[in-house]
Amino acid sequence: SQKIEQNSEALNIQEGKTATLTCNYTNYSPAYLQWYRQDPGRGPVFLLLIRENEKEKRKERLKVTFDTTLKQSLFHITASQPADSATYLCALDAGGTSYGKLTFGQGTILTVHP
Amino acid sequence: GAVVSQHPSWVICKSGTSVKIECRSLDFQATTMFWYRQFPKQSLMLMATSNEGSKATYEQGVEKDKFLINHASLTLSTLTVTSAHPEDSSFYICSAPPGGLHEQYFGPGTRLTVT
Repeated sequence: SQKIEQNSEALNIQEGKTATLTCNYTNYSPAYLQWYRQDPGRGPVFLLLIRENEKEKRKERLKVTFDTTLKQSLFHITASQPADSATYLCALDAGGTSYGKLTFGQGTILTVHP
Repeated sequence: GAVVSQHPSWVICKSGTSVKIECRSLDFQATTMFWYRQFPKQSLMLMATSNEGSKATYEQGVEKDKFLINHASLTLSTLTVTSAHPEDSSFYICSAPPGGLHEQYFGPGTRLTVT
């Protein structure tokens, strides 16, 4: 069966450092991999999308890599700030007839300490 | 950016009653919307796909007669939880992709508590 694992349930880092979150998947061939931020009691907020034929995407302090051979994505937040503290979710979209149907990982709770 | 709203943001109902949750895309049209459920300390699980002008499609294990979905217009989808039971208590979240895009825009969620 399809499985998505985000390797850390929780990650604590100091302000200014780079946070690196990992998403691994098995029995899946995603056309798109997406990262979302979720604050307590709120819906997820879209951050970045990367396609299966792309290796890296950047947006401001965010960077995502996608290795379809390793079946892994890394999500980086550089120069982290306490305001970056939240749960980060990776989500896979198989595309095609499954367009838009997202399968989510369990999330990593990031805490950035001042 | 694209905005999706949900109403109500929270609701408490008695066991056996029905509850309707609305999901609206405010600044774009959505022929497809998605409904997710999230239990405490768990991730989002897709329940169903709401299609404007046709029947919703449900994920395996989701009872279509219990979770009624109506996509009334290009900006509105509703989820009705019928004969609610305490085990239906959860956080219900809808999402929609603006046309041509693959990323989803999520509503703020509805907290349902069944007593």
